[in-house]
Amino acid sequence: LAKTTQPISMDSYEGQEVNITCSHNNIATNDYITWYQQFPSQGPRFIIQGYKTKVTNEVASLFIPADRKSSTLSLPRVSLSDTAVYYCLVGGRMDSSYKLIFGSGTRLLVRP
Amino acid sequence: DAGVIQSPRHEVTEMGQEVTLRCKPISGHNSLFWYRQTMMRGLELLIYFNNNVPIDDSGMPEDRFSAKMPNASFSTLKIQPSEPRDSAVYFCASSLRALGGATFNEQFFGPGTRLTVL
Repeated sequence: LAKTTQPISMDSYEGQEVNITCSHNNIATNDYITWYQQFPSQGPRFIIQGYKTKVTNEVASLFIPADRKSSTLSLPRVSLSDTAVYYCLVGGRMDSSYKLIFGSGTRLLVRP
Repeated sequence: DAGVIQSPRHEVTEMGQEVTLRCKPISGHNSLFWYRQTMMRGLELLIYFNNNVPIDDSGMPEDRFSAKMPNASFSTLKIQPSEPRDSAVYFCASSLRALGGATFNEQFFGPGTRLTVL
């Protein structure tokens, strides 16, 4: 399974766009990139998933360059409620397995 | 949909006691995962089931831990005997496994059980 590297923490202010980059140099051909969000005292929550290029949903955008060795989660106009830990995961089907390996995540603090 | 249901939400026990954590996955989901989260080790996958069958238990720390899924709507994680280092938040998650393809599906996490072993 590909290992991921992301910043330990980031600070931002309300209304700003936040970009969190994740490195995954050993990503395999059939691996997908997924981001989860976790608030204190809650389980992680799926944000977005992609394989290549750009994916956008109502919450975020995910940018994946052609070599797929990194990805960037973009949160437009963050609010205080976006303060959370964001996990970048890389994985996919391995035989009959579907494993997700969570790294240490990026702790985002949004200030007023 | 009520989402993934876990019980109890909090458990305080003494070292040596047996602890049983319970999980009800989202109806229709065919994959179930047990995770443990601590400050030191982060979020770790302990075991997961597909169609009630354990697929990968390589994350189970030792023989004191066991997990069962007797049917599609219920799973248990048991620790016997419990030790202080087992103190953590235990999450259960479920997903609908895709048929074929090289994707893994969104996992829906429960609220977790905060276990404290004194």
